[in-house]
Amino acid sequence: EAQVTQNPRYLITVTGKKLTVTCSQNMNHEYMSWYRQDPGLGLRQIYYSMNVEVTDKGDVPEGYKVSRKEKRNFPLILESPSPNQTSLYFCASRVYGLEDNEQFFGPGTRLTVL
Amino acid sequence: SQQGEEDPQALSIQEGENATMNCSYKTSINNLQWYRQNSGRGLVHLILIRSNEREKHSGRLRVTLDTSKKSSSLLITASRAADTASYFCATGLNTGGFKTIFGAGTRLFVKA
Repeated sequence: EAQVTQNPRYLITVTGKKLTVTCSQNMNHEYMSWYRQDPGLGLRQIYYSMNVEVTDKGDVPEGYKVSRKEKRNFPLILESPSPNQTSLYFCASRVYGLEDNEQFFGPGTRLTVL
Repeated sequence: SQQGEEDPQALSIQEGENATMNCSYKTSINNLQWYRQNSGRGLVHLILIRSNEREKHSGRLRVTLDTSKKSSSLLITASRAADTASYFCATGLNTGGFKTIFGAGTRLFVKA
């Protein structure tokens, strides 16, 4: 089954404790992206990657890191989480190309930073 | 900065009625997509319309795009209680990296 998986689905942590949210897709998509969703703000793009070893900042990259060492995986790293990073996070993937912009979303990771 | 802005923010209708949601955006786009999200879950792609298209249909969905007004509308005909969800427009930008910008969404509630 074609899917995007994220782990963990729920995470409660404390300020400053490094964490990684994993994202994996089995559709051989070149393009992967991370979003955060906050009430009233919709989804905001954090980082995206057009292929292995190619990443770029979205609209809200501060406080986040990503890496793309393999095509299927795109982990999101919070080196020193802060309470304002409490949010619902989504990973998405799609075929890379001008015309094919349908994105496939993971189930989400609800992060709480105390 | 937000590219897409949906209107209305919330919409409540009776089952069987049509629901219309609007989206406005600010810059030139390659395409515009509509997604649906059931409470707190992942988004599901509904339909994509390219910048050179004016109207597109998919089942009970009808999407229009007016690039001169930088706006799009999503019409759901003969709505059902199962259509209750949040609907988002997203614009695909060719910024050299193909960013996608989402609006804040319209929350649709269909009463049975």
